[in-house]
Amino acid sequence: QQQVKQSPQSLIVQKGGISIINCAYENTAFDYFPWYQQFPGKGPALLIAIRPDVSEKKEGRFTISFNKSAKQFSLHIMDSQPGDSATYFCAASIQGGSEKLVFGKGTKLTVNP
Amino acid sequence: SQTIHQWPATLVQPVGSPLSLECTVEGTSNPNLYWYRQAAGRGLQLLFYSVGIGQISSEVPQNLSASRPQDRQFILSSKKLLLSDSGFYLCAWGRGGWMNTEAFFGQGTRLTVV
Repeated sequence: QQQVKQSPQSLIVQKGGISIINCAYENTAFDYFPWYQQFPGKGPALLIAIRPDVSEKKEGRFTISFNKSAKQFSLHIMDSQPGDSATYFCAASIQGGSEKLVFGKGTKLTVNP
Repeated sequence: SQTIHQWPATLVQPVGSPLSLECTVEGTSNPNLYWYRQAAGRGLQLLFYSVGIGQISSEVPQNLSASRPQDRQFILSSKKLLLSDSGFYLCAWGRGGWMNTEAFFGQGTRLTVV
């Protein structure tokens, strides 16, 4: 299965709160999990990525948590800011194998001031 | 550093007219190239990908075609546009082989078919 399931579809958070976006996958061959951030009218940009040999990766206010046994990974945005308002996509790929990333359907995050 | 150029940024075309969107990549050689479409409020739908000159794989049968006449040039075309072709079209490139991980996106083309 190549599907990556992402939830929620939309999320509203108050400034300073924690935003959590979840993704689940079926293909156990996936070994690279990037997250993309897309502002309106722009192309998606790579935000942060993780490989399954670690359970967590943190870059500033952004953290990926990875649960290999559950085949789930999530993005946590700490101290969410209005400037974080964007659509977030999770994705999965197989290094050295499939030529294509498989994307989730996206989560529209709105951070209210 | 690598950069990706996609144009035009916006396009309004009548139904039945042809389409040509162009994408070029600088600063890398033999990239994987992708065309995605994003309908309003929807996810990213992969349309075509290419691992080399003249090599095109289609993901979704439709009214569109793609070509790769040069290593770092990817073109999306249609002979006759349909209303349903409206959307946000994104070109992307990625490193192939063992470096195959991220996709790097252009700024997109907003196509409105009227």
